[in-house]
Amino acid sequence: ETGVTQSPTHLIKTRGQQVTLRCSSQSGHNTVSWYQQALGQGPQFIFQYYREEENGRGNFPPRFSGLQFPNYSSELNVNALELDDSALYLCASSLGDGQFVPSYEQYFGPGTRLTVT
Amino acid sequence: GEDVEQSLFLSVREGDSSVINCTYTDSSSTYLYWYKQEPGAGLQLLTYIFSNMDMKQDQRLTVLLNKKDKHLSLRIADTQTGDSAIYFCAESYSSASKIIFGSGTRLSIRP
Repeated sequence: ETGVTQSPTHLIKTRGQQVTLRCSSQSGHNTVSWYQQALGQGPQFIFQYYREEENGRGNFPPRFSGLQFPNYSSELNVNALELDDSALYLCASSLGDGQFVPSYEQYFGPGTRLTVT
Repeated sequence: GEDVEQSLFLSVREGDSSVINCTYTDSSSTYLYWYKQEPGAGLQLLTYIFSNMDMKQDQRLTVLLNKKDKHLSLRIADTQTGDSAIYFCAESYSSASKIIFGSGTRLSIRP
């Protein structure tokens, strides 16, 4: 068991609404990465947080934002939801130094499935 | 550019070997990975290989890397029904924090 938990498991929202997804990282980990996995696709990197600061961002618009808290848990916020935001959102935690964390040290949570109608 | 490509489906008979192939475009990739995703589950790292290696074996899994052709493969020996899943090839670099995934290969097992 990885120890990374995400909540909620499933969520249904309406277009235009805002949503907050949560991730609790594995004990001792200081880095959280968020990924979006659309149906039938591989995960796409959204951004990474290291010690409460954004530390790298993928090709996602500013309405995707995040937070990391002093206990290293994290939130992903999405404003003005669009139908294409429907996806599985995965977080991965790791113990990093802010430079680079090899994937084999990242542990994925089970994900939150978001449906936008 | 960044791109990882895989075939979408593979069907093998139980007990046979499965070979899942992947191509990537960026020669500066430092790490290459194979992940497994079962229905309703998150991602499980199966194995990884550094770009300066040609092969890695881990029990039933064998990873082959052809850096010249930018080709990565995963061989699963003695495929079992529990191996049914989607397998993702992925790459990352030493200077970036993100992992780039392919679209996944769905492996189905025939009796």
